[in-house]
Amino acid sequence: DQQVKQNSPSLSVQEGRISILNCDYTNSMFDYFLWYKKYPAEGPTFLISISSIKDKNEDGRFTVFLNKSAKHLSLHIVPSQPGDSAVYFCAASSLGSSGSRLTFGEGTQLTVNP
Amino acid sequence: EAGVTQSPTHLIKTRGQQATLRCSPISGHTSVYWYQQALGLGLQFLLWYDEGEERNRGNFPPRFSGRQFPNYSSELNVNALELEDSALYLCASSLAIQDEAFFGQGTRLTVV
Repeated sequence: DQQVKQNSPSLSVQEGRISILNCDYTNSMFDYFLWYKKYPAEGPTFLISISSIKDKNEDGRFTVFLNKSAKHLSLHIVPSQPGDSAVYFCAASSLGSSGSRLTFGEGTQLTVNP
Repeated sequence: EAGVTQSPTHLIKTRGQQATLRCSPISGHTSVYWYQQALGLGLQFLLWYDEGEERNRGNFPPRFSGRQFPNYSSELNVNALELEDSALYLCASSLAIQDEAFFGQGTRLTVV
């Protein structure tokens, strides 16, 4: 049962354009969402998060949008840079649960072409 | 400040053997998480330790086990290794009340 799904295994965009990475979830108990970026041979690094009381959170070139009714979130990167090429993982958790575990999506490989 | 460190970086074992993976969290972090990333799959939650206790476990068989030491470092043990256990094993740590987990570089386990 995949509670967090990233349906696009890969995405390719041109440098300077917008990258949009999507994530869907099924568990309505999730109330905190995070995006991680992972380069080859490195562990994932935290990028940006959003709690369910918000619908948008912005940090520099990165913006995360949350649509609770659709159980959908997206990460926008504007403008995209070649250094953004990495695997992006969406993750979700329930702050009210007894476990502070994160449920991850499968990841989306973003390639930004110069 | 040192990040999360994992050892070894690479580990090759034969089927049926046992593997031990180690993790040192960021100083001050009491929670340690273990994840498995098999080829083509996302990060799968394995285990969560906090203050020396196992707090939660993912959908993995009992031959995946671990522990957390008084200094908050952690070990992941995989017994009776199977070929499909070949994966990148990631350790993460966080302060107990925060969800932003910081990851180590991982241990690449190959079972032959």
